[in-house]
Amino acid sequence: NAGVTQTPKFQVLKTGQSMTLQCAQDMNHEYMSWYRQDPGMGLRLIHYSVGAGITDQGEVPNGYNVSRSTTEDFPLRLLSAAPSQTSVYFCASTEGLISGNTIYFGEGSWLTVV
Amino acid sequence: GNSVTQMEGPVTLSEEAFLTINCTYTATGYPSLFWYVQYPGEGLQLLLKATKADDKGSNKGFEATYRKETTSFHLEKGSVQVSDSAVYFCALSADISYNTDKLIFGTGTRLQVFP
Repeated sequence: NAGVTQTPKFQVLKTGQSMTLQCAQDMNHEYMSWYRQDPGMGLRLIHYSVGAGITDQGEVPNGYNVSRSTTEDFPLRLLSAAPSQTSVYFCASTEGLISGNTIYFGEGSWLTVV
Repeated sequence: GNSVTQMEGPVTLSEEAFLTINCTYTATGYPSLFWYVQYPGEGLQLLLKATKADDKGSNKGFEATYRKETTSFHLEKGSVQVSDSAVYFCALSADISYNTDKLIFGTGTRLQVFP
């Protein structure tokens, strides 16, 4: 019952460093997405994917890249970290974004950029 | 566009008190509505959902009724426990036929329950 697995759970970066947040799901879901959670702003969509090989931008995509080479994996890359990217990041997946389908979330990745 | 508005927190209650967290929405078409809960240090978990007007979602003593006439989906619980302390997110998923493609969240309401 792994569900959605994110790594790492905690990370501290220096400004300008790069890193990748990993996300994997074992439910054979087509739709995967990344959100960031900031105080008073709820969850905001960064990027999403409707299937392997297909990605698109969400509400706040700047500074982030994604790829979807397999159905299971959806990594999020920060190419040059900035303090504004300090946040909690959640990966999510669902069978498909049809109204009513449940979205499953990972446990979150706490990122601090200094 | 679609949006979700939640009451600001924190909501502070004593154990066994009645809870209401307000949520209203704006959407085209016929969205599904969700409540997610986030316990400290954890990810979001689906608490309950309703997919059409007048549906009532319920789980773990929590209830919410999909009211299309008032565009609301208020979360209620008759008797809260300390273990209910968490952040609660109202969310909306619009019908894909309206070319929307994401789950929209409210800003979250923190609930603190004291013994």
